Amino acid sequence: SQQGEEDPQALSIQEGENATMNCSYKTSINNLQWYRQNSGRGLVHLILIRSNEREKHSGRLRVTLDTSKKSSSLLITASRAADTASYFCATDERAGGGADGLTFGKGTHLIIQP
Amino acid sequence: GAVVSQHPSRVICKSGTSVKIECRSLDFQATTMFWYRQFPKQSLMLMATSNEGSKATYEQGVEKDKFLINHASLTLSTLTVTSAHPEDSSFYICSARDVLGFTDTQYFGPGTRLTVL
Repeated sequence: SQQGEEDPQALSIQEGENATMNCSYKTSINNLQWYRQNSGRGLVHLILIRSNEREKHSGRLRVTLDTSKKSSSLLITASRAADTASYFCATDERAGGGADGLTFGKGTHLIIQP
Repeated sequence: GAVVSQHPSRVICKSGTSVKIECRSLDFQATTMFWYRQFPKQSLMLMATSNEGSKATYEQGVEKDKFLINHASLTLSTLTVTSAHPEDSSFYICSARDVLGFTDTQYFGPGTRLTVL
């Protein structure tokens, strides 16, 4: 069943601004991942954060994880037009951790206005 | 980084025919691959887990006789949509996890868009 929930479902901002997307999940996890998907294309892995980590950075990306609230956020700083895509969080909520498939959130469609 | 390919990238078929989709890990071995389905403007839903040398594990509501999965080697899994119908039209994406990898990252293929007429 779909457990991850992102908000907002759609976000439109001006180029150069920061974009923040949130994700919530329902059960315990070993890790949470964020992916990007351009329209009609495959997924690009952005970042993985483990349950014992609170924050992680990768370039212009910053991910936080709050296991007490079962939520995560993805911040994209200094957004660019090329960041326009759908962003999904995914968790390993099934027993067995990484040996099992991922549970994806509904996604946030991000539009960067030039 | 690890690369996963899918073939074909796009397929159009008539209702009632069967379609085979291949998923290959190009530079690593994967004992486990996963098949997802994504309907337009929706998220990915796990269909089944493909295990090398053993039977696939299907998610609830996914018909195993309709979606045949074969994981013949450590680098290849195939999904066959049998007797396809228009409601099977969707974007099918596979992923694989590197058996030797030190992370739980799953690497996704580029997807296969299936259109059933």
